[in-house]
Amino acid sequence: DAGVIQSPRHEVTEMGQEVTLRCKPISGHNSLFWYRQTMMRGLELLIYFNNNVPIDDSGMPEDRFSAKMPNASFSTLKIQPSEPRDSAVYFCASSSQLAEETQYFGPGTRLLVL
Amino acid sequence: GESVGLHLPTLSVQEGDNSIINCAYSNSASDYFIWYKQESGKGPQFIIDIRSNMDKRQGQRVTVLLNKTVKHLSLQIAATQPGDSAVYFCAEKAGGTYKYIFGTGTRLKVLA
Repeated sequence: DAGVIQSPRHEVTEMGQEVTLRCKPISGHNSLFWYRQTMMRGLELLIYFNNNVPIDDSGMPEDRFSAKMPNASFSTLKIQPSEPRDSAVYFCASSSQLAEETQYFGPGTRLLVL
Repeated sequence: GESVGLHLPTLSVQEGDNSIINCAYSNSASDYFIWYKQESGKGPQFIIDIRSNMDKRQGQRVTVLLNKTVKHLSLQIAATQPGDSAVYFCAEKAGGTYKYIFGTGTRLKVLA
């Protein structure tokens, strides 16, 4: 079975540019999470979707960050405009309410904003 | 339970020995716990989980122990192998919630 798929795996961009990260959750999972991981803060939850609806976006740092989930198999996290402090690894995770609530993580997108 | 800091605690073990990684969780209401393994350049990988109605759960070469009295979780890896080298995170979640609290992580180094 395919796990959580993220793209791109690496992104290098210049400050001020728009960045879009993509995620395909595990088929059949109805919960999706976006996380950011840095050395300083570890794993931080950015936003949580359930059945394609954003439930909690309190972790989104500021208005420059936005996330969408137009259907059960696709989600995007957008940063516009990007800043150097956004450099981090961004993970998408999904889980099924029918299972043990275990979250399965994707491989991550390593973002570097110059 | 908040993840902080630049420096991860490191556990170094000889290949073939058993490893024990500890985690102090923060919320007494947490009733579900997961151990994740994160290798360099990869996402966290599920290893084993345990619910609060259990004290111990065993998997293949791994055992998780839960002590609710002192809010302590441990991961035991039997016969540690070089492929076990990674950062290990514990995660806790309270029933009826979706938010996980992740530990800071412990780096396991397996010495040949």
